[in-house]
Amino acid sequence: AIQLTQSPSSLSASVGDRVTITCRASQGISSALAWYQQKPGKAPKLLIYDASILESGVPSRFSGSGSGTDFTLTISSLQPEDFATYYCQQFNSYLFTFGPGTKVDIK
Amino acid sequence: EVQLLESGGGLVQPGGSLRLSCAASGFTLRSYAMSWVRQAPGKGLEWVSAISGSGGNTYYADSVKGRFTISRDNSKNTLYLQMNSLRAEDTALYYCATDREGAYDIWGQGTMVTVSS
Repeated sequence: AIQLTQSPSSLSASVGDRVTITCRASQGISSALAWYQQKPGKAPKLLIYDASILESGVPSRFSGSGSGTDFTLTISSLQPEDFATYYCQQFNSYLFTFGPGTKVDIK
Repeated sequence: EVQLLESGGGLVQPGGSLRLSCAASGFTLRSYAMSWVRQAPGKGLEWVSAISGSGGNTYYADSVKGRFTISRDNSKNTLYLQMNSLRAEDTALYYCATDREGAYDIWGQGTMVTVSS
């Protein structure tokens, strides 16, 4: 099965900061990667799919890039509502594994 | 309103069984492949199982293979997860989600399964 790692596992940032989260796959997955945001007590919310396509309704400060094994999620200017945990997920082949998550909290 | 509603969770003893249901409303379930994802308390997301739109293809995580069975009844717009031989490590919040071919775009609110004596 394809393994995903995320870095960092957690970060502290301030409102207005640019934040970058990395997801690395154990083997090439083309662009078959999605990013989710999860807030405490809530279901995950889709942000990005196909590595770089913004889901409808998601603010444009979120962006995704990468292909093959290395991917990034960038928040261009962190807003108070963005403090959450972010997960990547690969769709290249079953099993559709998730990364371990990156928690973004307030500095 | 488009939504998924899970049910069937609860407290069960080790070795016991539960059947989870996921009812769709506001859209036709047969149009989607579907999946179950779980989250142990304080932990990350774990992909559990998936099923094609027709139900002809099913997939399982190694951790549940041989114990869990995913199925669907498109006439009832409902997805199921039959869980047998439950273990303490199966304790988690179980979500169902629609698979839009490369993204899980609709999620339920989850149903809690606790395996404990």
